[in-house]
Amino acid sequence: AQSVAQPEDQVNVAEGNPLTVKCTYSVSGNPYLFWYVQYPNRGLQFLLKYITGDNLVKGSYGFEAEFNKSQTSFHLKKPSALVSDSALYFCAVRGTNAGKSTFGDGTTLTVKP
Amino acid sequence: NAGVTQTPKFRVLKTGQSMTLLCAQDMNHEYMYWYRQDPGMGLRLIHYSVGEGTTAKGEVPDGYNVSRLKKQNFLLGLESAAPSQTSVYFCASSYSPGGALHFGNGTRLTVT
Repeated sequence: AQSVAQPEDQVNVAEGNPLTVKCTYSVSGNPYLFWYVQYPNRGLQFLLKYITGDNLVKGSYGFEAEFNKSQTSFHLKKPSALVSDSALYFCAVRGTNAGKSTFGDGTTLTVKP
Repeated sequence: NAGVTQTPKFRVLKTGQSMTLLCAQDMNHEYMYWYRQDPGMGLRLIHYSVGEGTTAKGEVPDGYNVSRLKKQNFLLGLESAAPSQTSVYFCASSYSPGGALHFGNGTRLTVT
């Protein structure tokens, strides 16, 4: 079985500061890992994904994610947060069985001016 | 290119009523999924399809049925709605098992 944990319900940062949203995972075999963002009353939007290769993955809107196999983590990062980054962020793992995705419970990011 | 379109956007049902949620995608994707989103619980997979004419159960399939008669459409049915089915329902599709999911904007369903 595959699983994802997002240990923080809420992350608060000041605009201009770096941000990190944490994610750990459990899956058999090589993981497909994803980050999605959800704005109010909208569906989830794809930010970035890790398949295999570089441990630092770059994605949309200046976001990047750091893959650490030994710690089974896939933390989302951004060097300088914007107020417009405030949203709900989901980490997901996608298995090879029909591509079913398992999502974390989500982390609400609030960036204050 | 509309992507993934869900109808309706909102619906209120009484307990015991039935309804069908429609998901349509114009990206020629093989894989389609229905999720429900409840506060603090992330997204949970209800049913999915790996191609036209195929369907399979996900994590929380009870009380729901699905059909994929055409590649571009994936229907989710509630036969006898219950208050526990009050939720936001999202449809998603992807081209391949390892690809990113494309989501619709959701259907907010309230069962009274």
